Amino acid sequence: DVKVTQSSRYLVKRTGEKVFLECVQDMDHENMFWYRQDPGLGLRLIYFSYDVKMKEKGDIPEGYSVSREKKERFSLILESASTNQTSMYLCASSLSRRGEQYFGPGTRLTVT
Amino acid sequence: GQQVMQIPQYQHVQEGEDFTTYCNSSTTLSNIQWYKQRPGGHPVFLIQLVKSGEVKKQKRLTFQFGEAKKNSSLHITATQTTDVGTYFCAVPGGYQKVTFGIGTKLQVIP
Repeated sequence: DVKVTQSSRYLVKRTGEKVFLECVQDMDHENMFWYRQDPGLGLRLIYFSYDVKMKEKGDIPEGYSVSREKKERFSLILESASTNQTSMYLCASSLSRRGEQYFGPGTRLTVT
Repeated sequence: GQQVMQIPQYQHVQEGEDFTTYCNSSTTLSNIQWYKQRPGGHPVFLIQLVKSGEVKKQKRLTFQFGEAKKNSSLHITATQTTDVGTYFCAVPGGYQKVTFGIGTKLQVIP
């Protein structure tokens, strides 16, 4: 079974802090994704990566950056956290770019 | 990027009643995926439809892809409390990515 893990289930940070969210998958998938999920807005794509060191902006990349130094690991970075970044963050991976996605358990981030 | 409209956004049903959620696109789709997210959980892939008019079943769940490949539906027969959750459709978006619908949140009243 594909396993996608995220570094924290819950995280509380202060405004202005730099925040790292880590995601690791164990199935050698080329493609990895970061989403945020907010009530009434569904899943919105922040960034995705289709290869090591490659990244592409999703629909809402502002205020975020990403890093993919190894195939299995995809990190989401909030350079200076703001309260409007309080959300559930979900990482996913897939074998093909538009194929079935496997999601991690999510990180609920609260920025105070 | 590709937009998809999913309706309804919320649905409450009595246990044993049927439930249907719909996804509609203004353009022809190459495929459509469906996911389920239980309360407190993460989205889990259910199925992918590729062919025009395709119908697939998983126990009480029936998935259909429209003849014109612009819409899809997920129908649950005789809902149970285990069906509670949010159902998402996902369609190919721009630049080789997938766009998720807003989801339909299903509540089943015992």
